[in-house]
Amino acid sequence: DTGVSQNPRHKITKRGQNVTFRCDPISEHNRLYWYRQTLGQGPEFLTYFQNEAQLEKSRLLSDRFSAERPKGSFSTLEIQRTEQGDSAMYLCASSLVAGGHNEQFFGPGTRLTVL
Amino acid sequence: AQSVAQPEDQVNVAEGNPLTVKCTYSVSGNPYLFWYVQYPNRGLQFLLKYITGDNLVKGSYGFEAEFNKSQTSFHLKKPSALVSDSALYFCAVRANTGGFKTIFGAGTRLFVKA
Repeated sequence: DTGVSQNPRHKITKRGQNVTFRCDPISEHNRLYWYRQTLGQGPEFLTYFQNEAQLEKSRLLSDRFSAERPKGSFSTLEIQRTEQGDSAMYLCASSLVAGGHNEQFFGPGTRLTVL
Repeated sequence: AQSVAQPEDQVNVAEGNPLTVKCTYSVSGNPYLFWYVQYPNRGLQFLLKYITGDNLVKGSYGFEAEFNKSQTSFHLKKPSALVSDSALYFCAVRANTGGFKTIFGAGTRLFVKA
């Protein structure tokens, strides 16, 4: 158990609906990352936060995607007007960037299916 | 731009034999390199990392990896494979300057036969 939790674990929605996912990182970790993973591919970087600041966003992240980490603890990823191409596993990871610690600890993911 | 290549979709080895899972990378500046493993229905787990120093790094479950700067490679190795090592392995790279965006390879599926 890595200590990163994600909810829900599965989400089925109809095209055009909005969805929101939550990630709770390991409590002392100051960095939080979101990735998307499709079948047969590695995790694809979406965005990351240091504390509450969103420091980088992938160009793949369209305007329909938004992420927040309001108090520097949990984070939410919202997808508006979902499309079938959004179907994927959405992964959250956290890390503690201090003293050489750079590895990320991943949650179990949220599997999104857009019908 | 950062990139990672894992040239083998699948690696098959017999239990007890040594295994190698290949990874090459491209990054501006010096790299931070990582290996992660993904078991079925479980999240990615960290195996090992190269940040600086000794080119041979040792990690969890008896795995090790060798950083080769001239060949821009970071191959994962284990002297004696176990059936329980069967999983999906991902190599990842991050530049040590300017940001913390981590790029993952497409993954290599390892099958260890008894």
